[in-house]
Amino acid sequence: EAQVTQNPRYLITVTGKKLTVTCSQNMNHEYMSWYRQDPGLGLRQIYYSMNVEVTDKGDVPEGYKVSRKEKRNFPLILESPSPNQTSLYFCASSYSGQGLFVGEKLFFGSGTQLSVL
Amino acid sequence: QQPVQSPQAVILREGEDAVINCSSSKALYSVHWYRQKHGEAPVFLMILLKGGEQKGHEKISASFNEKKQQSSLYLTASQLSYSGTYFCGTETANAGNMLTFGGGTRLMVKP
Repeated sequence: EAQVTQNPRYLITVTGKKLTVTCSQNMNHEYMSWYRQDPGLGLRQIYYSMNVEVTDKGDVPEGYKVSRKEKRNFPLILESPSPNQTSLYFCASSYSGQGLFVGEKLFFGSGTQLSVL
Repeated sequence: QQPVQSPQAVILREGEDAVINCSSSKALYSVHWYRQKHGEAPVFLMILLKGGEQKGHEKISASFNEKKQQSSLYLTASQLSYSGTYFCGTETANAGNMLTFGGGTRLMVKP
């Protein structure tokens, strides 16, 4: 089954304790992206990747890191989480990584609810 | 810069129609529409590309006005299953390969 898999589904941590949220897709998509969702603010893009070893900042990259060593995986790393990073996080992927357009529909993972105390 | 969606929320009775608008201050290449049920991931509805035609399937359709940098989502004869939050996502000329989402429109359909 074609899917984007995120883990964990729920995560409670404390300020400053490094964490990683994993994201994997089995559709051979070039494009992958991370979003955070906060009430009233919609989905805001954190980082995206056009292909292996190619990543770029979105609208809200501060406090986050990503890597794209393999095409299928795009982990989100919080080196020193803070309470303002408490949010619902979504990973997404799509076929298109060429040219200017995202162009193709995004497939979303099921989300990770992160609470930083 | 996020596109602006309106209204922020709407309540309908089954069978009524609704329009959700999405506006951008920048030139748009494409507009995406997604629907999110509570506690679930957003699900793709449709994409409208610059220079393309109005899209639609069944009772949900959308238009893209390139001159006004606006898109509208039309929900006709709404069903209970249409309830959820609707997001538009936009690609603009100066934003690389980013898809920027609006704040969402919460739609509730009542029996």
